[in-house]
Amino acid sequence: AQSVTQLGSHVSVSEGALVLLRCNYSSSVPPYLFWYVQYPNQGLQLLLKYTSAATLVKGINGFEAEFKKSETSFHLTKPSAHMSDAAEYFCAVRGGGSNYKLTFGKGTLLTVNP
Amino acid sequence: SAVISQKPSRDICQRGTSLTIQCQVDSQVTMMFWYRQQPGQSLTLIATANQGSEATYESGFVIDKFPISRPNLTFSTLTVSNMSPEDSSIYLCSVDVGGGASETQYFGPGTRLLVL
Repeated sequence: AQSVTQLGSHVSVSEGALVLLRCNYSSSVPPYLFWYVQYPNQGLQLLLKYTSAATLVKGINGFEAEFKKSETSFHLTKPSAHMSDAAEYFCAVRGGGSNYKLTFGKGTLLTVNP
Repeated sequence: SAVISQKPSRDICQRGTSLTIQCQVDSQVTMMFWYRQQPGQSLTLIATANQGSEATYESGFVIDKFPISRPNLTFSTLTVSNMSPEDSSIYLCSVDVGGGASETQYFGPGTRLLVL
């Protein structure tokens, strides 16, 4: 079984401030982990993914995430928030091997204040 | 990656009617998925659709309510049958691209459904 917990349904930051969105996972096998972003009235866009290569993963739009096995975490960060980063962010886990199903967290709404 | 389109992008329907949502991919893919995203909620997998076989439904979803077709490797449809206001959601299709460690799901833009 696999699950994802996103801490904080709503995060608010000032423009230029650090963005930190938290994700903890549970998986019985080494997981593949993903962050997706959903802008208003749009579908999901892949930000980045962890697939057991480097533990620090860089994605699009300046985002990155670090896989920490000891903490079962995959937090998403961006050094300096931009107004255009305002969106809903979803963390997702997929078990390895033939387990193709994605399990999503409940999402974190990021608000960026001017 | 993959480019995915969905039709319609949004619709307003009366209860008791049915709506068929189309999903088109720009490349041949084995696995396609249909998700529901209820207002303010995360994504829930409805079913997995493989070409040439019956769709596999997740717990809580049945074929009579959500029939799915997968006639070829680039196209699928999801029908929401006998709709009620509780079916008001965003419906998204997605596809698996790549294999092994590089396997990634890409999503369409979604169909926003409001049932009155």
